[in-house]
Amino acid sequence: KQEVTQIPAALSVPEGENLVLNCSFTDSAIYNLQWFRQDPGKGLTSLLLIQSSQREQTSGRLNASLDKSSGRSTLYIAASQPGDSATYLCAASGSSNTGKLIFGQGTTLQVKP
Amino acid sequence: NAGVMQNPRHLVRRRGQEARLRCSPMKGHSHVYWYRQLPEEGLKFMVYLQKENIIDESGMPKERFSAEFPKEGPSILRIQQVVRGDSAAYFCASSPKSGGEGTEAFFGQGTRLTVV
Repeated sequence: KQEVTQIPAALSVPEGENLVLNCSFTDSAIYNLQWFRQDPGKGLTSLLLIQSSQREQTSGRLNASLDKSSGRSTLYIAASQPGDSATYLCAASGSSNTGKLIFGQGTTLQVKP
Repeated sequence: NAGVMQNPRHLVRRRGQEARLRCSPMKGHSHVYWYRQLPEEGLKFMVYLQKENIIDESGMPKERFSAEFPKEGPSILRIQQVVRGDSAAYFCASSPKSGGEGTEAFFGQGTRLTVV
């Protein structure tokens, strides 16, 4: 049974810092690892999708890596901005290959001006 | 492409009433997933549907909850005889295929159900 854990639960940094969010999963037989952003009271915005055959994906200031063998993914945010403040969710596909996602509890990020 | 559309955005029901949540997937997507986010908890999978079929309902509570995705029209998540513990945000996601590498899930804005 897939379980996803995110550390830390909350993070507060000054503007401009580079930061890393961590995600670990127990079942390495995944097809995809997806990172989302959720603003308070809002829906989920997909940030990056890493396929199991890939090691990393980049979009602007965001870079996500995937290490299936160790069951880990990291989301790197460069030069953080106050607008990056949100909850970041990591989700791994279940091994049943139905597209079902197993979510971590999220990391709530606050970037202070 | 309008994205995944959920309505209503906010729904208030009294205990014992029925709640109906609607989800229209992205154009061209025939795979729909429902998730629930309880206060202070993460998102939990509820059910996966394709047109006219329930594929995986392993996350659905055994009683009072049902889901459908008819040939025409949106997917519906129905909660009968709501209780205060049903208060949560319910999210719908759609994808163009069922799993496999590169299958990206797109989420709607959610329906926030409050039971009073």
